[in-house]
Amino acid sequence: DVKVTQSSRYLVKRTGEKVFLECVQDMDHENMFWYRQDPGLGLRLIYFSYDVKMKEKGDIPEGYSVSREKKERFSLILESASTNQTSMYLCASSPRGDPNYGYTFGSGTRLTVV
Amino acid sequence: GENVEQHPSTLSVQEGDSAVIKCTYSDSASNYFPWYKQELGKRPQLIIDIRSNVGEKKDQRIAVTLNKTAKHFSLHITETQPEDSAVYFCAAMDYNQGGKLIFGQGTELSVKP
Repeated sequence: DVKVTQSSRYLVKRTGEKVFLECVQDMDHENMFWYRQDPGLGLRLIYFSYDVKMKEKGDIPEGYSVSREKKERFSLILESASTNQTSMYLCASSPRGDPNYGYTFGSGTRLTVV
Repeated sequence: GENVEQHPSTLSVQEGDSAVIKCTYSDSASNYFPWYKQELGKRPQLIIDIRSNVGEKKDQRIAVTLNKTAKHFSLHITETQPEDSAVYFCAAMDYNQGGKLIFGQGTELSVKP
């Protein structure tokens, strides 16, 4: 019973391309997050959203943007992909307020920019 | 903003030994501290969490301790087994301010049979 779904498991894109990473959750969670995971650096927060049409920058937003037009969907956009954006991208969702069960993560998208 | 430091980055133990992973955080307003386990090729999964109103929590072979004064918390795994081998992440959050988790750098635990 997959509850947070990321559209692609592996993606290869060329430098300069516009890249869309999609995330959909079916748990009616208010909060959604995008992290990138790199060895030795852990999970770093790119952008997050507490509600439809709202977004806030995380710790490393440069080179990224997001869109949340519907509650269940949170998209990460790389406006012009660069090789230093090669990484594993993880989407997560959680309910508003006390996180009784923590985050639910997607399976991740491994993006390679060549 | 919040900053979480995690040590060690790698840890190797013999099966049956104990393993301890330590984290420190910077924001005294943080009140929720989860630990996630990520097996190779899989998504992170919550294994245990602790809130700022308690000092210790235990679930079978795993336990977490929290020292609010020193702003550090630790994960303890006893009687380690090969299936405990994974990357472990600590994190911190002030859930009264929305709910964003800030993660540590991760610890790769290897349990040798």
